[in-house]
Amino acid sequence: DGGITQSPKYLFRKEGQNVTLSCEQNLNHDAMYWYRQDPGQGLRLIYYSQIVNDFQKGDIAEGYSVSREKKESFPLTVTSAQKNPTAFYLCASRPGQTYNSPLHFGNGTRLTVT
Amino acid sequence: EDKVVQSPLSLVVHEGDTVTLNCSYEVTNFRSLLWYKQEKKAPTFLFMLTSSGIEKKSGRLSSILDKKELFSILNITATQTGDSAVYLCAAGYRNNDMRFGAGTRLTVKP
Repeated sequence: DGGITQSPKYLFRKEGQNVTLSCEQNLNHDAMYWYRQDPGQGLRLIYYSQIVNDFQKGDIAEGYSVSREKKESFPLTVTSAQKNPTAFYLCASRPGQTYNSPLHFGNGTRLTVT
Repeated sequence: EDKVVQSPLSLVVHEGDTVTLNCSYEVTNFRSLLWYKQEKKAPTFLFMLTSSGIEKKSGRLSSILDKKELFSILNITATQTGDSAVYLCAAGYRNNDMRFGAGTRLTVKP
């Protein structure tokens, strides 16, 4: 079955440590996205990538970094520069250059930083 | 500033009631309006609307878009406890961007 796999499901880190969240898709989608979800704030875009080896900042990119070396993979690194990293992180994908297509989401990673 | 606003933010009803969820948007180069249902984890796609006045239906759920007044509604008739979720509205715009609203948390009591 095609889909998006995010791992791990839960992640705990100490403040000051970088942490990388995994996102893999086998839908053959060109475009991939990272969103952050906080209570009462809906989804906010962190980074997105329309094609391999290219990505753009979203609304809240500060303190995060991404890479897109393979079509299937779009890992997100939460750096120590991110002031409030505790949140629910969702990865999504859709066919590239087709703006009228819905996003497919992974099941998310809940990150807790203490 | 591009924005999507949903109302109400929270709603509690009893089984059998009908609910209407609202979504207004102001985005550059609007392309489409999407509705998602989020229960625990991944949002699941409900509807995508691109044309005004054409209602989309799926069982007890329906949605319509008004591109002149820049809003959409999601109706759920004969609500069931399984409809309890956060309903997210998103506007597709510009070059493949998608902006989400804060969501409406619907609780359906037996």
